[in-house]
Amino acid sequence: ILNVEQSPQSLHVQEGDSTNFTCSFPSSNFYALHWYRWETAKSPEALFVMTLNGDEKKKGRISATLNTKEGYSYLYIKGSQPEDSATYLCAPLGGANNLFFGTGTRLTVIP
Amino acid sequence: DAGVIQSPRHEVTEMGQEVTLRCKPISGHDYLFWYRQTMMRGLELLIYFNNNVPIDDSGMPEDRFSAKMPNASFSTLKIQPSEPRDSAVYFCASSSGGMAEAFFGQGTRLTVV
Repeated sequence: ILNVEQSPQSLHVQEGDSTNFTCSFPSSNFYALHWYRWETAKSPEALFVMTLNGDEKKKGRISATLNTKEGYSYLYIKGSQPEDSATYLCAPLGGANNLFFGTGTRLTVIP
Repeated sequence: DAGVIQSPRHEVTEMGQEVTLRCKPISGHDYLFWYRQTMMRGLELLIYFNNNVPIDDSGMPEDRFSAKMPNASFSTLKIQPSEPRDSAVYFCASSSGGMAEAFFGQGTRLTVV
C-alpha cells in the first residue's frame, strides 16, 4: 500500500478565487500519477494522468504539475466556480499497476 | 460502451447474510479494481485483477470478503457473513493499464442492519 497524502483535507474558497492543493507520494518506484474529480453522489472521473517529471497538464481552468523526484503534484484551479465544488483525489501508480487513492481534498466554492 | 456497470445500486441486508456485488467492466479493459468508500478512509482499494487474475488482495479487510473474476466481462465481490460495519459504498473500476485513466461504476450502496 502506497502512502499517499493530500492536503488540505478540505478547503472553502470564494467564487472567483484561485486555489491549489497538494498530493504527496513516495518518489521511489514511480510509474504514473492520476488526478480524479469526485462530485457528491457521483463516481470519480479522471482529470489527468501524468508520468514525466516536470509534466504539466491543463483542462480548462484546472491544471496540474508533477515533481517525481521529490514526490508531489499540485492541482490548481483558476477562478473557482461553484461547479468546481467536489473532492479531488490523487492516485500514484507503483510498478504493480495498483491505484491507491489519497483521501482527497474536499473543495467548496462559495457563490 | 455503457461504461462500468455495477449491480445492485442499493442493497439492504440483515447481519449474517451473504451479500454479492456485481461488476461488468468496460470491454477491452484488462484491469478491474474494487474499492470501498468510507468516511474515515475515503476510497480504499480492496483488490484488483489483471486479465482476470487477482494481483493484489492485501486490501481485503477480512476472510469474510472474497472476490472473483471468472471471465473478462464479470466480477463479483462477496461478503459472507455480512456485518453492520461493512455498510459502505462499494465501487468497481476498470482500466486498460496504469497509463490510462480508470473508469468507475456508479457504486453499490450496501447497508447491513
